[in-house]
Amino acid sequence: AQSVTQLDSHVSVSEGTPVLLRCNYSSSYSPSLFWYVQHPNKGLQLLLKYTSAATLVKGINGFEAEFKKSETSFHLTKPSAHMSDAAEYFCVVSDWDDMRFGAGTRLTVKP
Amino acid sequence: NAGVTQTPKFQVLKTGQSMTLQCAQDMNHNSMYWYRQDPGMGLRLIYYSASEGTTDKGEVPNGYNVSRLNKREFSLRLESAAPSQTSVYFCASSALAGTNTGELFFGEGSRLTVL
Repeated sequence: AQSVTQLDSHVSVSEGTPVLLRCNYSSSYSPSLFWYVQHPNKGLQLLLKYTSAATLVKGINGFEAEFKKSETSFHLTKPSAHMSDAAEYFCVVSDWDDMRFGAGTRLTVKP
Repeated sequence: NAGVTQTPKFQVLKTGQSMTLQCAQDMNHNSMYWYRQDPGMGLRLIYYSASEGTTDKGEVPNGYNVSRLNKREFSLRLESAAPSQTSVYFCASSALAGTNTGELFFGEGSRLTVL
């Protein structure tokens, strides 16, 4: 069975500083990996996805993530946080038959 | 561009009451899903429909039923609501078949409280 662990339930950064949201996964197969973002009272929106092509994946709004098979990690980064990045972020692991969401990381951005 | 539309957005029920959450998508997607979101638990799949006419159980199906009315619509029914079903429910759709193979498009959620 697959699983995904988001290592931080809450991350707080100052505007203009880097963002790092950590995700480790467990899968028996070569999985697809996703990051979704959820703004307050909204549905989830895809930020980026990894599907066995390039290990460094670029997404929307300046976010990127690197797939590291040896570390079973798929951490999300952004060089400079913006106030509008404040939201909840979900790491997701999937194969054909199963998709698992992490518990989420709430990102707070301080002025 | 409506995308995925869920109704109602908010509902309060008493224990034992029934209700149906409605979901419609206008993207001609084959697959549709119902998830529940609870604090600290991410999203958990209740039921999914890989194509019109088919439905399958997900991770937490107990206490729920679904109907894939046509390609556009996928409803979730609570026959006898329980406080444990207090949650935020999300409908999602995907162009590809399978429990999940690619990008999901989500509705804005339906917040259900069972007293």
